[in-house]
Amino acid sequence: DSGVTQTPKHLITATGQRVTLRCSPRSGDLSVYWYQQSLDQGLQFLIQYYNGEERAKGNILERFSAQQFPDLHSELNLSSLELGDSALYFCASSVDPEGRGLYGYTFGSGTRLTVV
Amino acid sequence: DAKTTQPTSMDCAEGRAANLPCNHSTISGNEYVYWYRQIHSQGPQYIIHGLKNNETNEMASLIITEDRKSSTLILPHATLRDTAVYYCIVRGRNSGGSNYKLTFGKGTLLTVNP
Repeated sequence: DSGVTQTPKHLITATGQRVTLRCSPRSGDLSVYWYQQSLDQGLQFLIQYYNGEERAKGNILERFSAQQFPDLHSELNLSSLELGDSALYFCASSVDPEGRGLYGYTFGSGTRLTVV
Repeated sequence: DAKTTQPTSMDCAEGRAANLPCNHSTISGNEYVYWYRQIHSQGPQYIIHGLKNNETNEMASLIITEDRKSSTLILPHATLRDTAVYYCIVRGRNSGGSNYKLTFGKGTLLTVNP
């Protein structure tokens, strides 16, 4: 157990639907990162939050959004889902905004999203 | 961030040392070398990082050449559970904006054989 909790572990939904993925960071970590991993794209950075504020944005589609709440958990919202959104979605956390702490980034076990 | 080059795959016998190379010839003075690994479909796991000195922890050793243009991750006694994709990542020390992210390449698939 890495200390980063992601729910749900698996999600199957239909095209056009909206889903919410949840991430609880490791205790004491203020920064949360979201990554998408599909078979043909590898690990792609989506977005980073630090202490409730958006810090960096990567290749995140406009149909996707995220936020970090006062208790530091984060949610990734995916809407108007397409078949190509099927992927593993990982959340990572770090104690500092640059992930240069002793443990670097700590990743959760991911949410496997299947869009049918 | 500097680009890295790693072999696509490597094999290693169980119990032997696994030496995973990484080239980062365009690395700049303030960039660190990070190593992560990903066991099939699990979340990536931090292994080690360094700037210019060799580093060792309970998982592995990191050897960085004097010119810092390449490095080697050493797993001293590989086990079957070390079979994974290993990612070498170079990232700035005082990065700002979007450079806070870790950029993962394709990595090296290390297969440890019995």
